[in-house]
Amino acid sequence: ETGVTQSPTHLIKTRGQQVTLRCSSQSGHNTVSWYQQALGQGPQFIFQYYREEENGRGNFPPRFSGLQFPNYSSELNVNALELDDSALYLCASSLLQGVRGTEAFFGQGTRLTVV
Amino acid sequence: AQRVTQPEKLLSVFKGAPVELKCNYSYSGSPELFWYVQYSRQRLQLLLRHISRESIKGFTADLNKGETSFHLKKPFAQEEDSAMYYCALIKDSNYQLIWGAGTKLIIKP
Repeated sequence: ETGVTQSPTHLIKTRGQQVTLRCSSQSGHNTVSWYQQALGQGPQFIFQYYREEENGRGNFPPRFSGLQFPNYSSELNVNALELDDSALYLCASSLLQGVRGTEAFFGQGTRLTVV
Repeated sequence: AQRVTQPEKLLSVFKGAPVELKCNYSYSGSPELFWYVQYSRQRLQLLLRHISRESIKGFTADLNKGETSFHLKKPFAQEEDSAMYYCALIKDSNYQLIWGAGTKLIIKP
């Protein structure tokens, strides 16, 4: 068991609504990355948080935002939901110490369906 | 732009046969490459990374900079190898992973 937990596991929202997804990182990890995985595709990087600061962002609009808390858990917020936001959202935690190749441990994902 | 390509969406081989899952990449810097695996109803997990140069569950992968490839190989497939396999590359600026679309490997008995 990797220790990375995400909640909720499944969620159905209506177009235009807002959603918050949560991730509890593995003990000792200081970095959380969020990915969106559409059906039949590989994950796409949304953003990364390192010690409560955003540390990189992928090609996602500003309505995708996040937070990292002092205990290194994290939230992903999506405003004004669109049908294309329906996907599996993955959280990965890692320990960033300036060394490349830090292994990322993944949560089980949150399946978001926008109707 | 950085990109990871896995040309096969599905690969089906018989138990005991050799397996090769293809991965090609485009990256302007010095790449850091990984293979992740997702077994049925389980989360994504790291299988191996090129800097480790190790064999995990009988799988190996060699980085070929000339061909910009990082193919995953196993000489004798086992039924428990059936899973989704993703090749990924680390973008060195902030360690974000760039992923291929994945290959579903089915091992037939």
